[in-house]
Amino acid sequence: SQQGEEDPQALSIQEGENATMNCSYKTSINNLQWYRQNSGRGLVHLILIRSNEREKHSGRLRVTLDTSKKSSSLLITASRAADTASYFCATDAIGFQKLVFGTGTRLLVSP
Amino acid sequence: KAGVTQTPRYLIKTRGQQVTLSCSPISGHRSVSWYQQTPGQGLQFLFEYFSETQRNKGNFPGRFSGRQFSNSRSEMNVSTLELGDSALYLCASSLTGQDTGELFFGEGSRLTVL
Repeated sequence: SQQGEEDPQALSIQEGENATMNCSYKTSINNLQWYRQNSGRGLVHLILIRSNEREKHSGRLRVTLDTSKKSSSLLITASRAADTASYFCATDAIGFQKLVFGTGTRLLVSP
Repeated sequence: KAGVTQTPRYLIKTRGQQVTLSCSPISGHRSVSWYQQTPGQGLQFLFEYFSETQRNKGNFPGRFSGRQFSNSRSEMNVSTLELGDSALYLCASSLTGQDTGELFFGEGSRLTVL
């Protein structure tokens, strides 16, 4: 299966702490994206990192990509209760012309 | 600019029935993709339509079908419903396709099959 795997499956932290979630995938990619989903809602795009990029920032988000290890990480700094959601990585694998989503990390940020 | 609109938001059907879900993409977006989300299987790709043509298809049985109209609106149909079809069905649109950037998702249609 092309599906990426995310680690950890669930993460519980306090407000103000940093949250790190990891994504591993199996095939060569054009880009990797991170999405957020609040319970039972649609997904919202957070950030896209291309295969020739190693790191990207957007506000409190920092994404890294290591194509040699086929892995990516998403760091959310200074977490807030409103960051509570599920986070998914999605890979645009070369030749497949579709986004394949990982299994997701459920993040709980307690006040 | 209006977002992606999916209707209906919630529906309940019984086994053997069929269902049609609708998706209106963001104005100007020509690509519409459909995903099925369940607790056990996660997000599974169903199909992508671009300019009324199915461009890509996931590993779902023929009971799952879709189409796209000239105004880019899309529908998906599931016939002979099974209990396992209970899921959140998500539609996503993009300007030119999945391989060129981000997808914009609707809020989903939650289907319950009894």
